[in-house]
Amino acid sequence: AQSVTQLGSHVSVSEGALVLLRCNYSSSVPPYLFWYVQYPNQGLQLLLKYTSAATLVKGINGFEAEFKKSETSFHLTKPSAHMSDAAEYFCAVRDGAGNQFYFGTGTSLTVIP
Amino acid sequence: NAGVTQTPKFQVLKTGQSMTLQCAQDMNHEYMSWYRQDPGMGLRLIHYSVGAGITDQGEVPNGYNVSRSTTEDFPLRLLSAAPSQTSVYFCASSADRAKRGYTFGSGTRLTVV
Repeated sequence: AQSVTQLGSHVSVSEGALVLLRCNYSSSVPPYLFWYVQYPNQGLQLLLKYTSAATLVKGINGFEAEFKKSETSFHLTKPSAHMSDAAEYFCAVRDGAGNQFYFGTGTSLTVIP
Repeated sequence: NAGVTQTPKFQVLKTGQSMTLQCAQDMNHEYMSWYRQDPGMGLRLIHYSVGAGITDQGEVPNGYNVSRSTTEDFPLRLLSAAPSQTSVYFCASSADRAKRGYTFGSGTRLTVV
């Protein structure tokens, strides 16, 4: 069975500082991994995805994530936080057939001016 | 491109009432899903469909029905609303067995009193 754990339900960073949001996964098959962002009162928007090609994946808005099989991790980073990055971030893993995504419980990112 | 359209955006129901949440996509996606989002719990799958005429249960199907008569539409029916169904509901669709991720609608915020 697949599952995702996001460490830290709330993360605060100063504007311009490094953003690091943690995600560890459990998967019985080679994983397809995703990061989504949710702005207040909106739906989820795909930030980036790992589909077994390059281990370092670049997404929108300057975010990137690195797939580390040995650590079963897929942490999301951004070198310099912007006020507009304040949102809820979800990590997800696809099940083997693609019928279901298993989502983490989310990390709320606050950016301090 | 409208993407995934959900209606209504907000709804208040009394306990015991029934209603249908509408979901339509114009991307010719085969896969469609309904998730509910509750604080601290991430998103949980209610029902999903891999094509017209094919539906199956997800993690939390009790109290909900779905049907998929066309590729475009995937309505979610609440049979007899209960306060525990107060949540934000998201419809999502995907092509290519979700290897590239799901596209989400903007959500329906449902309150059952």
